[in-house]
Amino acid sequence: KQEVTQIPAALSVPEGENLVLNCSFTDSAIYNLQWFRQDPGKGLTSLLLIQSSQREQTSGRLNASLDKSSGRSTLYIAASQPGDSATYLCAVSTSGTYKYIFGTGTRLKVLA
Amino acid sequence: GAGVSQSPRYKVAKRGQDVALRCDPISGHVSLFWYQQALGQGPEFLTYFQNEAQLDKSGLPSDRFFAERPEGSVSTLKIQRTQQEDSAVYLCASSLGGPPDTQYFGPGTRLTVL
Repeated sequence: KQEVTQIPAALSVPEGENLVLNCSFTDSAIYNLQWFRQDPGKGLTSLLLIQSSQREQTSGRLNASLDKSSGRSTLYIAASQPGDSATYLCAVSTSGTYKYIFGTGTRLKVLA
Repeated sequence: GAGVSQSPRYKVAKRGQDVALRCDPISGHVSLFWYQQALGQGPEFLTYFQNEAQLDKSGLPSDRFFAERPEGSVSTLKIQRTQQEDSAVYLCASSLGGPPDTQYFGPGTRLTVL
């Protein structure tokens, strides 16, 4: 059974810092891994989608890497801004199923 | 519309009442998913539709939960005889095809059962 873990659970950093959010999963047979952002009271916004054959994806100040063999992904945020404050969720789509399995998220606060 | 929409955004129900939550997916999207997100947790899968066919309902927590998508577009999640443990945000997502297509999420319906 696929399990997804995210550490840290919460993170508070000063504006301008580079930071790394971690996601680990137990079953390496995945279709893809997706990072989402969730603002309070809002739905999920997709940030980056990494297919199982890919090693990384980049969008602006965000970079996500995938190491399937070790069951890990990292989301790197460069030059953090207060507007980056949100909960970041990692989700894995396991081969042979339709559903995403989510981690419990990392709650990020960037201080001005 | 431009994205996935859900209604109502907020619903308060007394224990024992029936509720119906609506999801309007992105036009043309074949796949539709329902997830349940408890406070402080990640979303958990409930059910999956491909067009009007419900291909996976393994995540529905009890037979009080029922979902339908009769014409392959709008979907309704119905909860009968609501219990306090049903309080959560219910998220709907759609994708153009099946996995591994990106799932686009709606804003969710926050259900509070008193």
